[in-house]
Amino acid sequence: DAGVTQSPTHLIKTRGQQVTLRCSPISGHKSVSWYQQVLGQGPQFIFQYYEKEERGRGNFPDRFSARQFPNYSSELNVNALLLGDSALYLCASSFRPDSTSATSTDTQYFGPGTRLTVL
Amino acid sequence: SQQGEEDPQALSIQEGENATMNCSYKTSINNLQWYRQNSGRGLVHLILIRSNEREKHSGRLRVTLDTSKKSSSLLITASRAADTASYFCATPNQAGTALIFGKGTTLSVSS
Repeated sequence: DAGVTQSPTHLIKTRGQQVTLRCSPISGHKSVSWYQQVLGQGPQFIFQYYEKEERGRGNFPDRFSARQFPNYSSELNVNALLLGDSALYLCASSFRPDSTSATSTDTQYFGPGTRLTVL
Repeated sequence: SQQGEEDPQALSIQEGENATMNCSYKTSINNLQWYRQNSGRGLVHLILIRSNEREKHSGRLRVTLDTSKKSSSLLITASRAADTASYFCATPNQAGTALIFGKGTTLSVSS
């Protein structure tokens, strides 16, 4: 079975530009989450989408937005790129939106990430 | 903000030795998870331990959880060069919709 896929693998942009990252979840998974991982740090939560609705949002500016499509794939958009947006962007999918809760035996499955470099 | 803090930040050992990594967290949790990341790639889920469990095993991995001390440890026995990676502990946010990761421990296993 295919795991979580992300595209593109690498991306180079300049300050002020806009970028769109894509994620396809594991078949049957309805929840997609996005994380940003800056070099040397752990991943930080950006968004969670479930059934095309935003279910959670981390502490990121409005320049970051996302959406989920009827086939449960998702896009993350970042506008007005800053040098500090350079990071590995990870997508994770799970069957349920509360996959990390105590009542769930579900877990999040991560994709390989998109490496974004802002010059 | 980061919930978990791994210790040590970096660990270098020889093949065959055991590797122990520790994680401390700040607030009450329902479960704690450990993930591995190879060379800045995606994260691989290793093991989940619930708050009512004290110890859990999976192959060469042993995880303990001490909720009174708000800490967890990950032990990798008989390490191999292929275990070279960064290891992260993660705890759920309050809504149970996201994971909060620590900064990770970078493990280097040399042959």
